[in-house]
Amino acid sequence: SQQGEEDPQALSIQEGENATMNCSYKTSINNLQWYRQNSGRGLVHLILIRSNEREKHSGRLRVTLDTSKKSSSLLITASRAADTASYFCATDSGNTPLVFGKGTRLSVIA
Amino acid sequence: NAGVMQNPRHLVRRRGQEARLRCSPMKGHSHVYWYRQLPEEGLKFMVYLQKENIIDESGMPKERFSAEFPKEGPSILRIQQVVRGDSAAYFCASSPPWGVYGYTFGSGTRLTVV
Repeated sequence: SQQGEEDPQALSIQEGENATMNCSYKTSINNLQWYRQNSGRGLVHLILIRSNEREKHSGRLRVTLDTSKKSSSLLITASRAADTASYFCATDSGNTPLVFGKGTRLSVIA
Repeated sequence: NAGVMQNPRHLVRRRGQEARLRCSPMKGHSHVYWYRQLPEEGLKFMVYLQKENIIDESGMPKERFSAEFPKEGPSILRIQQVVRGDSAAYFCASSPPWGVYGYTFGSGTRLTVV
């Protein structure tokens, strides 16, 4: 079953703008992760946030997690054309395989 | 240190034939996961294996699909008597046997059933 649900499904912004993607999930989790997928390629791990963390940064990425609302957001600051990709959130509940959402397709226009 | 290697990258099979997809995990990784992705969709979990053991196959169709991860050699996802609906991208991922880490994904095998 699909655990994460990303919002919006598609997002188009100008280069230099910030991009925010949201993820909601249904059941309790141990960790939430964000991945990027360029067209026709495999997924690349971006960042992992544990259930007891509220915010995490990695370069131009900022992830927040609100376990009371069962939601997470991924912010990409100062976007570049190379950030064009699909972004997926994925959750695990202990020793369980990751469950992925359907993703947000981000287009960054130069 | 090579990443996750999947082959072939593209596979065309006629209806009724068998498809064999191979995945060599990253060095030091003993956990392997197979996912299926349809166009414009997310990844659907199929099976989770460790060496010589199937840990979770809750996402595998009951018929025609099987997976193994032998003591030596790559993990194999096998689809017997393929049908058009099996056409998809199949991704393999691996992770270390300890701690909490992100998965490392292969580039996928795109299966087309004609």
